[in-house]
Amino acid sequence: SQQGEEDPQALSIQEGENATMNCSYKTSINNLQWYRQNSGRGLVHLILIRSNEREKHSGRLRVTLDTSKKSSSLLITASRAADTASYFCATATGGANSKLTFGKGITLSVRP
Amino acid sequence: DTGVSQDPRHKITKRGQNVTFRCDPISEHNRLYWYRQTLGQGPEFLTYFQNEAQLEKSRLLSDRFSAERPKGSFSTLEIQRTEQGDSAMYLCASSLALGNHGGYQPQHFGDGTRLSIL
Repeated sequence: SQQGEEDPQALSIQEGENATMNCSYKTSINNLQWYRQNSGRGLVHLILIRSNEREKHSGRLRVTLDTSKKSSSLLITASRAADTASYFCATATGGANSKLTFGKGITLSVRP
Repeated sequence: DTGVSQDPRHKITKRGQNVTFRCDPISEHNRLYWYRQTLGQGPEFLTYFQNEAQLEKSRLLSDRFSAERPKGSFSTLEIQRTEQGDSAMYLCASSLALGNHGGYQPQHFGDGTRLSIL
């Protein structure tokens, strides 16, 4: 079953604009991760935020986590055409079992 | 850095046939996961190994599915008597679990095996 729900389902922006993607989840988590998937390829890990963290940055990526609202957002600044991909949030409940539960994903299109 | 490798990339087979996929994880990674992804959905967890031990199986993994990781290195996923509903992308991922805090480590994915059942 899918734990996370991303919003919006699809996003189309112009190169140079910022892209904001949201994710909500249902159960308590140990950490939340964002992945990118290009068409026909595997997933690439982007960033991990732990449940005791509120914000994290990595290059052009900024992720926030609000555990009281069970939600996270991913911001990609100064988007590029190469950012065109599907983006997934995934939650880990932690402990010995580190399986990830993914949402349905967001399709991001960046127009050159 | 050699990433996670999956073979074959594509598999087309007739309903009722058996298929086997292989995954070679990143060499120093002790955890290996299998996921299934259908069109328009996120990956769904199937099973995972810590070294050679299979520690959890999803209810999605019917008795037609079997996974092994005999020497704690590569893994195989076999589907017997394939059905139309088995058509999907099968993804393998690996990670380095540190003690009991495996959940803190990102997973590294292969490019998957796309299975099509005729």
